[in-house]
Amino acid sequence: KNQVEQSPQSLIILEGKNCTLQCNYTVSPFSNLRWYKQDTGRGPVSLTIMTFSENTKSNGRYTATLDADTKQSSLHITASQLSDSASYICVVSPILRSNDYKLSFGAGTTVTVRA
Amino acid sequence: ETGVTQTPRHLVMGMTNKKSLKCEQHLGHNAMYWYKQSAKKPLELMFVYNFKEQTENNSVPSRFSPECPNSSHLFLHLHTLQPEDSALYLCASSQEEGGIQPQHFGDGTRLSIL
Repeated sequence: KNQVEQSPQSLIILEGKNCTLQCNYTVSPFSNLRWYKQDTGRGPVSLTIMTFSENTKSNGRYTATLDADTKQSSLHITASQLSDSASYICVVSPILRSNDYKLSFGAGTTVTVRA
Repeated sequence: ETGVTQTPRHLVMGMTNKKSLKCEQHLGHNAMYWYKQSAKKPLELMFVYNFKEQTENNSVPSRFSPECPNSSHLFLHLHTLQPEDSALYLCASSQEEGGIQPQHFGDGTRLSIL
């Protein structure tokens, strides 16, 4: 079973509306949680990185939240634009030790924004 | 422009062919990675190089052979591939292996095995 589960698998929203993506993880102990955006035909691009002590991090219209107690994170997109159509990937990094760096990736949520 | 360039962007090959994927990073990073991305599945880490030395081989079949001649270049040599190897192959780099710095990804090579 994957250590990072994302929901929903896909969603469609109208331009200008808000949406929230969910990420549940079992990686423990963990160092940081990242959200990436992957446009069709492109590689993933980092949106936010939060350490275990941070609760929220924003990047423009993207706001990520983290609840380390419940092992849940969310990515909120405000006033969506057509360019927000992409796959959003949640990535969890385990606690930093000598070589214990392996990232755990979610399968992603595909967001389609329609005019 | 992410600073990580992969070539070719698309590759179609038969199961008996030999080909190579190339990755170059212009960010001055010391760690480079190969990932496999299949549809609807999480990224799978294949190999990690840190300061040109391979530090991770994630149980990858020997038909995939990585090469890292220097900290800026990474290759993935392919031979006798199987249809299930069709996927998007992503290269990434980071300042150091592990750490909190984000990995910077290239746009990938879309590989199709006939």
